[in-house]
Amino acid sequence: KNEVEQSPQNLTAQEGEFITINCSYSVGISALHWLQQHPGGGIVSLFMLSSGKKKHGRLIATINIQEKHSSLHITASHPRDSAVYICAGCTSNTGKLIFGQGTTLQVKP
Amino acid sequence: EAGVAQSPRYKIIEKRQSVAFWCNPISGHATLYWYQQILGQGPKLLIQFQNNGVVDDSQLPKDRFSAERLKGVDSTLKIQPAKLEDSAVYLCASSQTSGVNEQFFGPGTRLTVL
Repeated sequence: KNEVEQSPQNLTAQEGEFITINCSYSVGISALHWLQQHPGGGIVSLFMLSSGKKKHGRLIATINIQEKHSSLHITASHPRDSAVYICAGCTSNTGKLIFGQGTTLQVKP
Repeated sequence: EAGVAQSPRYKIIEKRQSVAFWCNPISGHATLYWYQQILGQGPKLLIQFQNNGVVDDSQLPKDRFSAERLKGVDSTLKIQPAKLEDSAVYLCASSQTSGVNEQFFGPGTRLTVL
C-alpha cells in the first residue's frame, strides 16, 4: 500500500526561525512533490524531486531515497509563509499523487 | 502562460440537487486530474484523464459522480444528486503527460451542500 506520512501536523514559529517539515513514504513512490496551500487558495507546486536537493529562494527540499524520507526547509521564515504544506508521493506508472495529511504552519511576527 | 482555469469558484446547493464544475487545463497538457478535498484533509484523486481517455477512476463514486473530457481539452465533473458529505473543494490539475510530472493546480471550486 502506498502511504505518505507527514510531521508535524501543526507548527508555530517566530519570524526568522528555521523551519523543517518531514515526510516519509512507502515503497512504490518514485518522486515527491511539495505543495503549498494558503487558506481559501489553490495549491501551488513548490518542488518535485526524485533525488538530491532543490532550492528556490528561502525554500530547500531534500530527499533520501534509501531512507524514503524527504524534508522541506524554510530559512528566515516570514508571516507570509503561513500556509498548509503538503507532501505528495508520485507513482511512476500513472503519476497519481498520494497526499500526506498536510502541515499547518503559522509564522508569527 | 495561463494557468488551470476552474469555474465556478463557489457553489451552494441543496442536497439532492445537481451541480457541474468546469476545468480548462494548461494548453497542451495531456493529463487532467480531478481531486476532492474535504476540509482538514488532503486532496483525494477522483478521476484522471489522459487526453480523452480515463486512466484511473477507482475512487470516483460512480453512482452519483460523472466526469468527461470529450475532446481531450476541457473537462466537466458532475454530481447528481448531491449529498451533504459532498461538501468540499474540487480541485482540477493538469500535467504535460502522465507519470512523474509536475502537476499544476487550479484555484478550486468550493461546494457547500445544505
